[in-house]
Amino acid sequence: DAKTTQPPSMDCAEGRAANLPCNHSTISGNEYVYWYRQIHSQGPQYIIHGLKNNETNEMASLIITEDRKSSTLILPHATLRDTAVYYCIVRVDSSASKIIFGSGTRLSIRP
Amino acid sequence: DTEVTQTPKHLVMGMTNKKSLKCEQHMGHRAMYWYKQKAKKPPELMFVYSYEKLSINESVPSRFSPECPNSSLLNLHLHALQPEDSALYLCASSQDMTQGLGYNEQFFGPGTRLTVL
Repeated sequence: DAKTTQPPSMDCAEGRAANLPCNHSTISGNEYVYWYRQIHSQGPQYIIHGLKNNETNEMASLIITEDRKSSTLILPHATLRDTAVYYCIVRVDSSASKIIFGSGTRLSIRP
Repeated sequence: DTEVTQTPKHLVMGMTNKKSLKCEQHMGHRAMYWYKQKAKKPPELMFVYSYEKLSINESVPSRFSPECPNSSLLNLHLHALQPEDSALYLCASSQDMTQGLGYNEQFFGPGTRLTVL
């Protein structure tokens, strides 16, 4: 699986959009971009994934650049409950496959 | 039911004890995973089971012994652990898509916090 690079920490004001970047310059054509987050003392939680098109669900939006070498996770209206470590992962979409977590971005939401 | 449950929530054990961690899911998932997470570090994969058979062992020491007695249940048997094995142990499950492409979201349980004295 390709490696990812994320800033170690970010902060965002409550109610504003949080934009979390991820670089994955060695991504292969069959690798998807996944985002998970881990709130303190809980298990990781799936947020969103994509291959090459932008994706949106009830939690977030995922913007993938045309060359697929980077992506941005957008939380449109951050709340205090969004404080967590956010992991960007690239992986092949195959059965029973590994998730290799990088260091992630610790997002702090300030009131 | 979209939940992965893990018991116990906390476990304290001595280095000579034998204990087991239990994980259960009723989503019909056929892939199940064990991860280990040390404080302030990302989770690290230990084992993957696919259709109740061990498919990935990430060179985990034999003092950790996984077992998948049926498609809903995953155990991790612990014996002669060391203090450095103290960590949060996370279980996860996912659909095992054997035909065609599809995303492979992993659902994680809340973890068992293990302390080895």
